[in-house]
Amino acid sequence: ETGVTQSPTHLIKTRGQQVTLRCSSQSGHNTVSWYQQALGQGPQFIFQYYREEENGRGNFPPRFSGLQFPNYSSELNVNALELDDSALYLCASSLESGTGGGYTFGSGTRLTVV
Amino acid sequence: KQEVTQIPAALSVPEGENLVLNCSFTDSAIYNLQWFRQDPGKGLTSLLLIQSSQREQTSGRLNASLDKSSGRSTLYIAASQPGDSATYLCAVFSGNTPLVFGKGTRLSVIA
Repeated sequence: ETGVTQSPTHLIKTRGQQVTLRCSSQSGHNTVSWYQQALGQGPQFIFQYYREEENGRGNFPPRFSGLQFPNYSSELNVNALELDDSALYLCASSLESGTGGGYTFGSGTRLTVV
Repeated sequence: KQEVTQIPAALSVPEGENLVLNCSFTDSAIYNLQWFRQDPGKGLTSLLLIQSSQREQTSGRLNASLDKSSGRSTLYIAASQPGDSATYLCAVFSGNTPLVFGKGTRLSVIA
């Protein structure tokens, strides 16, 4: 059973650019959620996808968007990058949306915006 | 709106000590609570998952308890080791809402 895999591990972008982060969910999981973690803070919910549909969104602007694919892998896209977007981005997968079976997290992507 | 608080924010103990990390949440209508470990700059490793119907879960030297009615959970670490040094996060799940995290407790175990 494979866990959650995220790529890339590190990324440096310039303000105003666009970035795409990728996540492969754990085998058998059909729900993927994305979190942003600033230094010294707990992870903040960005959005969640269940069976390729967005079914929850946190307090993030529309320039944060995502996709989930038929194999349940997912992408997080951020347009018009700002310096405050620098953070660790975490992807988590779970068995079913709302069943409370626990979440499995990936190792994260460290994004630095300069 | 669910809010999760973890106390203390940081803790430094000598090797071998038993210790308790605290987590409180404002809305007791939760499905489960999950404790995670995070090493610096790394992702989250799940330690224990407690369903709302359970009182505690144990894994090795770790024991987590849940008192849903009072909105509290504790993570007990027995015989701490330097390798336990990390940030410990608790998160609550309330159905279709996302996980809500505390800010974590940064633990240092001194050899």
